[in-house]
Amino acid sequence: EVQLVESGGGLVQPGGSLRLSCAASGFTFSSYDMHWVRQATGKGLEWVSAIGTAGDTYYPGSVKGRFTISRENAKNSLYLQMNSLRAGDTAVYYCASSGKDAFDIWGQGTMVTVSS
Amino acid sequence: DIQMTQSPSTLSASVGDRVTITCRASQSISSWLAWYQQKPGKAPKLLIYKASSLESGVPSRFSGSGSGTEFTLTISSLQPDDFATYYCQQYNSYSLTFGGGTKVEIK
Repeated sequence: EVQLVESGGGLVQPGGSLRLSCAASGFTFSSYDMHWVRQATGKGLEWVSAIGTAGDTYYPGSVKGRFTISRENAKNSLYLQMNSLRAGDTAVYYCASSGKDAFDIWGQGTMVTVSS
Repeated sequence: DIQMTQSPSTLSASVGDRVTITCRASQSISSWLAWYQQKPGKAPKLLIYKASSLESGVPSRFSGSGSGTEFTLTISSLQPDDFATYYCQQYNSYSLTFGGGTKVEIK
């Protein structure tokens, strides 16, 4: 079964750090670009980061310099290191693969809450 | 960044209705557009990619059209399972961007 499972979410204070993980199974992880997408409660979807098969990375301005995406193909795993967290980063974070360039496989999401 | 504008933001419809959602890009994205369906508490689900290609397993009542800056998602005959929020997304260039969403409600 094709699956993505996120972990690592939780409560963190403003200015703190958190590392999210995403475990992939059922497909050739190393052959796909991978992404993180977030959604604040009651709000729309926001793309957060991408990593290509060659390790090239991309970020929107809202997280550039604070978030780092990485992958470990030997472990079929995707990561998101989040530093200098702000209240505005509070959201459910999804990992997704882009087999058709669009996001065709999504995880169930992990909640990140930034609050004192 | 390319801005994606969806309309309407909310749509009230009845089972069996034909429903059309529009998505406009602030600049040309060729056909690099996807549509997703999201239900409360669940991850989004890919419906349409490359503007008009139906994802495997998605009912044929869903269809997409358009190119350049104007796109539409059509549900030919709304079913009870279709009441959800729909998002468009461009993947022509980074930063990838989503539309604000269209909530399809029961009339």
